[in-house]
Amino acid sequence: DGGITQSPKYLFRKEGQNVTLSCEQNLNHDAMYWYRQDPGQGLRLIYYSQIVNDFQKGDIAEGYSVSREKKESFPLTVTSAQKNPTAFYLCASSDRSDIEQFFGPGTRLTVL
Amino acid sequence: KQEVTQIPAALSVPEGENLVLNCSFTDSAIYNLQWFRQDPGKGLTSLLLIQSSQREQTSGRLNASLDKSSGRSTLYIAASQPGDSATYLCAAHGTGRRALTFGSGTRLQVQP
Repeated sequence: DGGITQSPKYLFRKEGQNVTLSCEQNLNHDAMYWYRQDPGQGLRLIYYSQIVNDFQKGDIAEGYSVSREKKESFPLTVTSAQKNPTAFYLCASSDRSDIEQFFGPGTRLTVL
Repeated sequence: KQEVTQIPAALSVPEGENLVLNCSFTDSAIYNLQWFRQDPGKGLTSLLLIQSSQREQTSGRLNASLDKSSGRSTLYIAASQPGDSATYLCAAHGTGRRALTFGSGTRLQVQP
């Protein structure tokens, strides 16, 4: 089945820890994205990548980092510099950066 | 900077009603506008994508329209069913940046 997978589904982080969220797609899409969703709100863009080895900051990149070493993978690291990381994180991909985006099932991150 | 607004924030209707969800955006220079459905705790499911050159798209009981000149899109749901209960998000894909800008969503409850 083609699609986007995110792991883990639930993640708990202690204060001061870095954690990495996984996003993998087998759709052969060039562009990938990370969004953050807070309760009752829409999604906000963290980072996006249009091609391997290239990525750009979104609206709320502070405290986050990404890499794009492979076309099918776009991991997101939430660093200790992110002051309020508790949220629902969604990964998406698209064939080109200007057409329909498809989303993964999300990872819910909670800071203990 | 693109801003997307959705009205109403919440809507409750009896089963069988036709309903309209509204979405407005501030920058009319968009590639496309996408409507999504989100069930609680889940990722986003793409419902309809309207390219900037199109006026509307239809899928089953769903019809989405786009009026770039007025910065508005509507999602029409015919003969609503309890299974339609979810949050509906619209997102505009601007020409100036390669990612989506989301509204806060309309939470729909269809009463049996």
